[in-house]
Amino acid sequence: GAVVSQHPSRVICKSGTSVKIECRSLDFQATTMFWYRQFPKQSLMLMATSNEGSKATYEQGVEKDKFLINHASLTLSTLTVTSAHPEDSSFYICSARDRAGTQPQHFGDGTRLSIL
Amino acid sequence: GENVEQHPSTLSVQEGDSAVIKCTYSDSASNYFPWYKQELGKRPQLIIDIRSNVGEKKDQRIAVTLNKTAKHFSLHITETQPEDSAVYFCAALNTGNQFYFGTGTSLTVIP
Repeated sequence: GAVVSQHPSRVICKSGTSVKIECRSLDFQATTMFWYRQFPKQSLMLMATSNEGSKATYEQGVEKDKFLINHASLTLSTLTVTSAHPEDSSFYICSARDRAGTQPQHFGDGTRLSIL
Repeated sequence: GENVEQHPSTLSVQEGDSAVIKCTYSDSASNYFPWYKQELGKRPQLIIDIRSNVGEKKDQRIAVTLNKTAKHFSLHITETQPEDSAVYFCAALNTGNQFYFGTGTSLTVIP
């Protein structure tokens, strides 16, 4: 079945550091990938839609200069949290669309980001 | 965009009883409604889904119903078991091919 790999699974770093998270579709081409953020005991909040070869579409309230998204190929999208601060600590999950599959999206395993 | 509301936020049931979780959505053009089960710190797992041209779908102990007119859909779990304990999220796929999630229901099945 369709597999989405997300890396790293866990990041702990100091305030002010920039962190890059990768999302790869391993066995299918994903023209569209989605980035979600999930705070403890809360729902998944869509941050942005990443389209291969074009600029990402950000949801209202999400700072595009803070959360840089790059979707350079049909199998890879990256999310960079720039100058991360403690309030950016969260669980970040990506998903990818598989047009050929029966499910509209497949999730990565998520990245637990902790900013000290 | 789309606004998805989910109730209840927490639900406790005795093992063997049924559990029902309800969601409403705002965009009448949304056409796909999946339900996910998420265990702590893990990715959401699709457990069942329904498309807008269907009113009900069942898979063993799990069923989903959709009322397009009222814009609500529900998850039904029968004969609950302790391993059903998790957080469940509904979602709606809008015309922009984006998913919007409900706020989640923490289900506890008491042995």
